[in-house]
Amino acid sequence: GAVVSQHPSWVICKSGTSVKIECRSLDFQATTMFWYRQFPKQSLMLMATSNEGSKATYEQGVEKDKFLINHASLTLSTLTVTSAHPEDSSFYICSARGGLVGFTGELFFGEGSRLTVL
Amino acid sequence: GDSVTQMEGPVTLSEEAFLTINCTYTATGYPSLFWYVQYPGEGLQLLLKATKADDKGSNKGFEATYRKETTSFHLEKGSVQVSDSAVYFCALSGDQGAQKLVFGQGTRLTINP
Repeated sequence: GAVVSQHPSWVICKSGTSVKIECRSLDFQATTMFWYRQFPKQSLMLMATSNEGSKATYEQGVEKDKFLINHASLTLSTLTVTSAHPEDSSFYICSARGGLVGFTGELFFGEGSRLTVL
Repeated sequence: GDSVTQMEGPVTLSEEAFLTINCTYTATGYPSLFWYVQYPGEGLQLLLKATKADDKGSNKGFEATYRKETTSFHLEKGSVQVSDSAVYFCALSGDQGAQKLVFGQGTRLTINP
């Protein structure tokens, strides 16, 4: 199957700093990418949907100024957590879908990035 | 809104045991249903899916049947292996080709030799 890679897989930062997480589709062009957040023992919560070359669509309750998403190319989307605080500590997961017609549910997921804010 | 509820884990079984992981959903319309699996250190992978009532999805010995009358999509395998140890997520997507997936909380499965 297609490969999606996230970087870094684990990051620790001080409160007040910003952290950028990259999501790359390695062997296909991802017209749409999704960013999820997962708390311990809880399900993945969709944060936003990004389409290449356009602004991301955020889910209700997600602060767009806090979680900046950029999808500037067909193989790269970035999530920047701005002015991070301990409550932002979480596991962030991206997924990507190629530009095929229709939705088959076959999203390809990255390995996830664990953010710890001290 | 749409939601998915999975049986709580962790689940620990011996090799060759029968596996059932329960999943029920709440949704308007006619969602598609999925099971994803996450092996240690890897991203989620699609395990199987069903797009309409009474469909059975199957892959790698796993099966799940879309039961609209009970709003369920339970995952089963007749004889599990150590290599099946992973976290399993049930998910749905709304009808009309919606792209968004709604996930259950995941069930960690450990198979002992």
